[in-house]
Amino acid sequence: AQSVTQLDSHVSVSEGTPVLLRCNYSSSYSPSLFWYVQHPNKGLQLLLKYTSAATLVKGINGFEAEFKKSETSFHLTKPSAHMSDAAEYFCVVSDRPNFGNEKLTFGTGTRLTIIP
Amino acid sequence: EAGVTQFPSHSVIEKGQTVTLRCDPISGHDNLYWYRRVMGKEIKFLLHFVKESKQDESGMPNNRFLAERTGGTYSTLKVQPAELEDSGVYFCASSRTYRGATNEKLFFGSGTQLSVL
Repeated sequence: AQSVTQLDSHVSVSEGTPVLLRCNYSSSYSPSLFWYVQHPNKGLQLLLKYTSAATLVKGINGFEAEFKKSETSFHLTKPSAHMSDAAEYFCVVSDRPNFGNEKLTFGTGTRLTIIP
Repeated sequence: EAGVTQFPSHSVIEKGQTVTLRCDPISGHDNLYWYRRVMGKEIKFLLHFVKESKQDESGMPNNRFLAERTGGTYSTLKVQPAELEDSGVYFCASSRTYRGATNEKLFFGSGTQLSVL
């Protein structure tokens, strides 16, 4: 069975300061890991994904995440927060990325607030 | 390219009534998924269509939920009769199948907010 734990339900940072959103996962297989973002009244958008290639993954809008197998973590970071980053972020795991079924397991989400 | 479209964006119904949610996937996407987020909880998988066939419906909560995808294009999710615990946001997603494998990138719609009173 697979699961994801997002350690913070809310994170607030000042504009221009670093962002860290934490995620730990549990998976029976070699997992694929994703971060999705949802802005108000918008669909879920893929930020980045890890699929057993490079452990440091770069995504859109300056975000990146590092897969650490020894810590079972996949934390999302950004060096400098922008007001437009305010949204809800979801850490997601998939055990069967290419078996014909994208049965994703989502974390409970982290709401990121940017302080002007 | 048009994205995944869901209709309605909001629905408010009374307990015991019927509601039908619709999802139009991106044109050419064989895979269509339904997920939902009940208030305060994580987004959970409901089911997966490949074209018009149900590939996996293990996440459907009970037989009050019926999903269809006639013709392999748009999909509907009917809840009959609706209960209070069905309230939440229902997301639809679609993806391509490339060389027999599912493309990992899912495109999500903006969801339908369902409120059962």
